[in-house]
Amino acid sequence: EAQVTQNPRYLITVTGKKLTVTCSQNMNHEYMSWYRQDPGLGLRQIYYSMNVEVTDKGDVPEGYKVSRKEKRNFPLILESPSPNQTSLYFCASSPRGFLIATATNEKLFFGSGTQLSVL
Amino acid sequence: GQQVMQIPQYQHVQEGEDFTTYCNSSTTLSNIQWYKQRPGGHPVFLIQLVKSGEVKKQKRLTFQFGEAKKNSSLHITATQTTDVGTYFCADKLSGGYNKLIFGAGTRLAVHP
Repeated sequence: EAQVTQNPRYLITVTGKKLTVTCSQNMNHEYMSWYRQDPGLGLRQIYYSMNVEVTDKGDVPEGYKVSRKEKRNFPLILESPSPNQTSLYFCASSPRGFLIATATNEKLFFGSGTQLSVL
Repeated sequence: GQQVMQIPQYQHVQEGEDFTTYCNSSTTLSNIQWYKQRPGGHPVFLIQLVKSGEVKKQKRLTFQFGEAKKNSSLHITATQTTDVGTYFCADKLSGGYNKLIFGAGTRLAVHP
């Protein structure tokens, strides 16, 4: 089954304790991205990647790191989590990304989400 | 910077009533995508609109793209409890960026 898998589903941690949220897709997509969802703010992009070893900042990258060593995996790393990073996180992928304005088959496939609480 | 504004933020309706959410921008929108997120779930792609004035239908859902490509709407006819969730619009960021910009979403509650 084609899907984006992220783990864990729920995570409670304490300030300063490094954590990693994993994301994997089995659709051979080139484009992968991380979003955080907060009430009233919608989905804000953290980082995205167009290919292996190619990553770029989104709108809210501060306090986060990512890596793309393999095409299928795109982990999100919080080196020193803080309470303002408490949020619902989504990983997403698309076949080739959004550089081509009129591409009709470019859409995001989202993972199930990770609810993170930083105490 | 480029922003996509979505209204209303929240709406509750009686089952059977219609519902509309609007997506507006001060700049010309590229392609509008609509996603639905069920409570406790993840966003799921519904549709993409590309052309000025485009109208697409999916059963009771009607999607429109404004003639000037500065707004879009999603209209649900005769809502059902299965329509509950948050509806997001998203636009491709212009200027050579490889990303979507999401609206804040409209949360729909349907009372039976």
